[in-house]
Amino acid sequence: AAGVIQSPRHLIKEKRETATLKCYPIPRHDTVYWYQQGPGQDPQFLISFYEKMQSDKGSIPDRFSAQQFSDYHSELNMSSLELGDSALYFCASSLTTLGEQYFGPGTRLTVT
Amino acid sequence: EDQVTQSPEALRLQEGESSSLNCSYTVSGLRGLFWYRQDPGKGPEFLFTLYSAGEEKEKERLKATLTKKESFLHITAPKPEDSATYLCAVSMEYGNKLVFGAGTILRVKS
Repeated sequence: AAGVIQSPRHLIKEKRETATLKCYPIPRHDTVYWYQQGPGQDPQFLISFYEKMQSDKGSIPDRFSAQQFSDYHSELNMSSLELGDSALYFCASSLTTLGEQYFGPGTRLTVT
Repeated sequence: EDQVTQSPEALRLQEGESSSLNCSYTVSGLRGLFWYRQDPGKGPEFLFTLYSAGEEKEKERLKATLTKKESFLHITAPKPEDSATYLCAVSMEYGNKLVFGAGTILRVKS
């Protein structure tokens, strides 16, 4: 079965640089979510989109922005990176906003 | 504030030794409770969704149950390949985000 695809899988950036993470949801899934998981921590919700509109917002820094495109893929843009942004970033998708969320393999971001 | 608490933090079992993991929650308007399995460095893998008190779901050696205040994940005769972190998460009637607990790290030794 098709799963959520995330790219890149690993990313190394320096402080104050910009990063773009991409997420391709499971086919026919119309809702995309972004989560951040720090070392030894549980996933923290950042933001979600349904039909290209923001549907919920969590503890996402103002330096981050995201959008969902017409083909339902989503991008998370992160600017002015800080050391504390180093984490695993997961994308999840669901069939409607009430469905189970299926997670991708994650992007490991390291800020040096 | 919506809160999810999992216990124990870590659990070591011998192969075949059954046990239960606990997830207690305090939320305003529960819509659903979810169990995920996560291996190190990988994305959470969906296991179960429970929506109402009294509901039970099973998959292989795992069985999840739900009451009005907590959920249990029962593991029957576990095998070493069941070793992972088990995450509990809730979704509320408002919004569609998941609020996760800190997880239970399960180690099953042969």
